[in-house]
Formats: sequence, C-alpha cells, structure tokens
Amino acid sequence: DSGVTQTPKHLITATGQRVTLRCSPRSGDLSVYWYQQSLDQGLQFLIQYYNGEERAKGNILERFSAQQFPDLHSELNLSSLELGDSALYFCASSANLQGGGMNTEAFFGQGTRLTVV
Amino acid sequence: GQNIDQPTEMTATEGAIVQINCTYQTSGFNGLFWYQQHAGEAPTFLSYNVLDGLEEKGRFSSFLSRSKGYSYLLLKELQMKDSASYLCAVKDSWGKLQFGAGTQVVVTP
Repeated sequence: DSGVTQTPKHLITATGQRVTLRCSPRSGDLSVYWYQQSLDQGLQFLIQYYNGEERAKGNILERFSAQQFPDLHSELNLSSLELGDSALYFCASSANLQGGGMNTEAFFGQGTRLTVV
Repeated sequence: GQNIDQPTEMTATEGAIVQINCTYQTSGFNGLFWYQQHAGEAPTFLSYNVLDGLEEKGRFSSFLSRSKGYSYLLLKELQMKDSASYLCAVKDSWGKLQFGAGTQVVVTP
C-alpha cells in the first residue's frame, strides 16, 4: 500500500458527461501529480499541484481541470467526455517539490479506470 | 520541453541480465527515477539517481551520467515476475515529473 488513495476505482459513464476523480495523498506529502494512461500507452503528465497551488501543466485538455484543497486532497474534473478519454487516471504524491535529497520519489495510487461509452 | 527515450521492448531469459537504456533532454534536472509497472497496476518506485554514478539495490542497479543525459537500469538474475514495463522518469527544476513511454521486458523460461 503506497498510502495514496484514489476513488472511485472504476467509473463507467456516457459521452458528454462530467466526472470527478478524487485523490488523497500520503500523509504529509504536499505535491500531487495527475497522469493519464491510455491502453498500452505511457503515463501522460496532466498537471501538478504543490501545497494548494498549480505548479506545472502538461498536455491537459481544456475540458479537464483540477484543484488541490487546503487538506491537500486533490480532484480532477473531466467534462464533455469523449470515447477517447477512456483511460487509467493515476494520482501520485511526493514530499518535496524538487529533488536533490531523500524522500523525493512519487508514490502512486491504484488509479481510477474510466470507461466512456 | 522534455524528451525521454527508451526502447519499446526487450526480451531476456530467466536468470540472465538485461540493461534498459534511457536518454533524456530536460529543462533543468532534479533527479532521475526508475519505476516498474505491471499491466493495469500502479507504478512502483525502484531507484533514484541525482548524482553521476551507480546505485545498487539488490538485483537492480541504476546508473546516471548527467553530462550525457543518459541512464540505465540493470536487472540481474532475471525472474519470471520481472516481466513488466519499466519506466524512466525525470524531475525538472520545477519538480515536474515526466515519464518515458516505458520498456516492456519479457522474461522467457
């Protein structure tokens, strides 16, 4: 168990709908990352938050948004869903924003498998 | 921007050694990570390099050359359970953690 909790584990929804994925980081971790992994593809970086503020953005679609709350949990909102959005969505957390020391690795949650039908 | 390259697939025999190479170009550098991922599961952390040289952890070792933008992961005494995807990831100056596409390692009996 990595200590990172993602809910729900599975989600099936129709095209055009909106869903919210939730992530609780490891206790004490300030940095949260979101990744999308389509079938047989690599991890695509979506967005990163640090202590409530957005720090880095990847190729995140305008239909997607995220936030990190004061208690450090994070939510990823996906709207106007399309069939191509079907994927595994991973959240990861790490203690430090930058590397250069111990405890810099990111720990991953088990992911949310989103199926758009 | 960032560019991280690694081979798509490698096949090796049980008990053998396999070396997975990773080359990268990033905006600043704050460490290189290797993760293992079995199909449909979460990636799990294997190793971390921030200084040049070799880090050894049991059957797994990882090497880094910052001047060459190059790393490798060495898997020794391969076991069937080592069949998985191995992901190279680089953290840039801002803490952004970007992954390569992964190398699928197939271990045969």
